[in-house]
Amino acid sequence: NAGVMQNPRHLVRRRGQEARLRCSPMKGHSHVYWYRQLPEEGLKFMVYLQKENIIDESGMPKERFSAEFPKEGPSILRIQQVVRGDSAAYFCASSATQVYEQYFGPGTRLTVT
Amino acid sequence: AQSVTQPDIHITVSEGASLELRCNYSYGATPYLFWYVQSPGQGLQLLLKYFSGDTLVQGIKGFEAEFKRSQSSFNLRKPSVHWSDAAEYFCAVGAGAAGNKLTFGGGTRVLVKP
Repeated sequence: NAGVMQNPRHLVRRRGQEARLRCSPMKGHSHVYWYRQLPEEGLKFMVYLQKENIIDESGMPKERFSAEFPKEGPSILRIQQVVRGDSAAYFCASSATQVYEQYFGPGTRLTVT
Repeated sequence: AQSVTQPDIHITVSEGASLELRCNYSYGATPYLFWYVQSPGQGLQLLLKYFSGDTLVQGIKGFEAEFKRSQSSFNLRKPSVHWSDAAEYFCAVGAGAAGNKLTFGGGTRVLVKP
């Protein structure tokens, strides 16, 4: 059973460009979570999604960031007009139900130059 | 709002020695508690979790943790450390309607001396 998959693993963007990060949850998992890890810090919750629904986006920056989890295909975290402060590792996690055990992907390391 | 504190940023331990990592949490209800391990450049792996019941929980790789409600703590222990245990360890508390929004501590980086 494949784990949570994220791609790309590394992404370099210039300031002002858009970044798209993809997450495929574990098979059978319908709940997806995105977390951000800034350098030398712990992970911070960003958003919780189920298929076609955003359940909790209390950790998302108000501007430039959006997330979706369509009926078909991976979950996408989109960052428009990236700035240097967006450089971080972005982790996706999934769970089978609303129960609490989350499995994490390997992360996407975004570098903004 | 919930919070998690890991007081030790770095810990150095000799191989074969015991290890204890501290975690204190703040949460208004019954917490759901987790320990994750992260190797350099990797994602997080779940070591163990506490939802309810026995306050001493066993995890993978020989780790265990004890939930102490009176101290708001969930410390992680391992009796004998192996060189492969060198990594960063994160304590987390689950919040939200079903504990699905994890709040992480700042992490403790463990170095293992030969």
